[in-house]
Amino acid sequence: NAGVTQTPKFQVLKTGQSMTLQCAQDMNHEYMSWYRQDPGMGLRLIHYSVGAGITDQGEVPNGYNVSRSTTEDFPLRLLSAAPSQTSVYFCASSYSFVSGTEAFFGQGTRLTVV
Amino acid sequence: SQQGEEDPQALSIQEGENATMNCSYKTSINNLQWYRQNSGRGLVHLILIRSNEREKHSGRLRVTLDTSKKSSSLLITASRAADTASYFCATSDRGSTLGRLYFGRGTQLTVWP
Repeated sequence: NAGVTQTPKFQVLKTGQSMTLQCAQDMNHEYMSWYRQDPGMGLRLIHYSVGAGITDQGEVPNGYNVSRSTTEDFPLRLLSAAPSQTSVYFCASSYSFVSGTEAFFGQGTRLTVV
Repeated sequence: SQQGEEDPQALSIQEGENATMNCSYKTSINNLQWYRQNSGRGLVHLILIRSNEREKHSGRLRVTLDTSKKSSSLLITASRAADTASYFCATSDRGSTLGRLYFGRGTQLTVWP
């Protein structure tokens, strides 16, 4: 089983460029989310989705857009990259949005904005 | 924010020793989870303890939860070099039905052979 798959694994962007981080899960999970991980900051929630067509903002949504057209896919778009968005990005999914469910994480995308 | 806070930030031990990490949080929770992250990899779920549970075991892992002190501990017994990783606690808010998890900053565990 693939679980949660993120692409690309590494990316370097120039300031102002846009790009999409891909996330796909094959477990038919309702709940998907994006986190960023910065040194000393733990994981911070960017956006999340409780099902196809439903998304909402997390703690640090500025500069990012998401959409959820299918259950499987939850792409994260950087609209105009800034050096402050240099980070490691993780996509996660869980089978239900009811609290108390284990989250499955992708391997991460390491993004550098120069 | 009800982000959990792990303590210590870093822990260094010899193989065979026990490792104890603590997590404190701020508000009422539905459950608390512990995750492990190996260097350069994603997080892997270790164990979940619900607010009405006080202790839970899984292999060499033992988790305790004290809701009156708003704290949890993760004990890894007979540690191995392969246990070297960062460990995070994550809480789920009692007032939320959305399953959002709030992560702490993690404890970096190093186990020396």
